Amino acid sequence: GENVEQHPSTLSVQEGDSAVIKCTYSDSASNYFPWYKQELGKRPQLIIDIRSNVGEKKDQRIAVTLNKTAKHFSLHITETQPEDSAVYFCAASVTGNQFYFGTGTSLTVIP
Amino acid sequence: EAGVVQSPRYKIIEKKQPVAFWCNPISGHNTLYWYLQNLGQGPELLIRYENEEAVDDSQLPKDRFSAERLKGVDSTLKIQPAELGDSAVYLCASSPRGQNTGELFFGEGSRLTVL
Repeated sequence: GENVEQHPSTLSVQEGDSAVIKCTYSDSASNYFPWYKQELGKRPQLIIDIRSNVGEKKDQRIAVTLNKTAKHFSLHITETQPEDSAVYFCAASVTGNQFYFGTGTSLTVIP
Repeated sequence: EAGVVQSPRYKIIEKKQPVAFWCNPISGHNTLYWYLQNLGQGPELLIRYENEEAVDDSQLPKDRFSAERLKGVDSTLKIQPAELGDSAVYLCASSPRGQNTGELFFGEGSRLTVL
């Protein structure tokens, strides 16, 4: 089955700086890559996703890049704010209904 | 639109006791998932339903875990008997059939503590 690795496990940045979280996957058939944000004690929520026919996608301060050849994808958050502090999970999916999650990155934005 | 509802939010039991978790997915969502989330880890699939049919239960420890989704709507996940290592958050998620977005809609989870 698919194996998704995520790095780093923890990340601290100063407010206003950028944050980058990286994930790799093993199954070249994976074609959908969502990112979820989970605030403490709350449910994971989708923040951005990308499909394999696209190399980059942006939504305001967040962006995701995908390198199919290298089988890795990354989440970029610019101009970080304290409310960006949360755990972020990447995931990979082949069929759109089987999801394999990374182990999560705990992001802390220091005011 | 109401989100995925789970209950109870918190449950504390002694080992060897039974426990059950309930999930009400978003109306119209045919696919329902139960995930296990250990502290500091990503969600791991336990079982996936398409309507009332369990289409992927390969990761469900069937000696003590069971699940059902009667009438293809609400679902119940049961553990009997519970072990110390079952302490975790049990997340339910749903998604509509044939969707293009692939988005999973999660509930807030049921946190189980086994003493």
